[in-house]
Amino acid sequence: AQTVTQSQPEMSVQEAETVTLSCTYDTSESDYYLFWYKQPPSRQMILVIRQEAYKQQNATENRFSVNFQKAAKSFSLKISDSQLGDAAMYFCAYRSLFGNEKLTFGTGTRLTIIP
Amino acid sequence: DAGITQSPRHKVTETGTPVTLRCHQTENHRYMYWYRQDPGHGLRLIHYSYGVKDTDKGEVSDGYSVSRSKTEDFLLTLESATSSQTSVYFCAISEPTGKKLFFGSGTQLSVL
Repeated sequence: AQTVTQSQPEMSVQEAETVTLSCTYDTSESDYYLFWYKQPPSRQMILVIRQEAYKQQNATENRFSVNFQKAAKSFSLKISDSQLGDAAMYFCAYRSLFGNEKLTFGTGTRLTIIP
Repeated sequence: DAGITQSPRHKVTETGTPVTLRCHQTENHRYMYWYRQDPGHGLRLIHYSYGVKDTDKGEVSDGYSVSRSKTEDFLLTLESATSSQTSVYFCAISEPTGKKLFFGSGTQLSVL
């Protein structure tokens, strides 16, 4: 079974600075998806970014980018120019491509933005 | 946004009573999921469905059952609620490629 580990329960960053959230995972599969989801206080789950394992290029979405290290099974999220609206819980998640449609989540990192 | 609705939004019940949570989708997606969210545990999969009447267990399925008699509805039942089932419950649906998972707004369940 796949596992996802987020070792930072809480992080904080000064507004306009850059912060990196860590995620590692364990799998024996070669093809899969990795995701970062954001959960603000509203409880809504918002997809931030997705990485396909067969793509070597790191995914980016505006101020959000990932550092995907397949051999190390590492998938960190970098948030540049942090804004107050970035304050939220962030979850890393793993999804198999074949034979298992379940999405496995990490335990989350609570990000605080300091004005 | 994907059409996915959870009901009720909030529920308070007593230990030992049955509870049913409903997830309704208008996207005609094949896959539907029930997760529970607890502090320090993230989201954990309870049950999921890959078609009408096709369901399977997740990692925390004990004490829960599900049913899917129509594509659009996925019901989660707590046969006899316990305090350990106090949690926020999320329903999710997956579009065909599996590249996205769309979430409902969650149900806060309190078992007293």
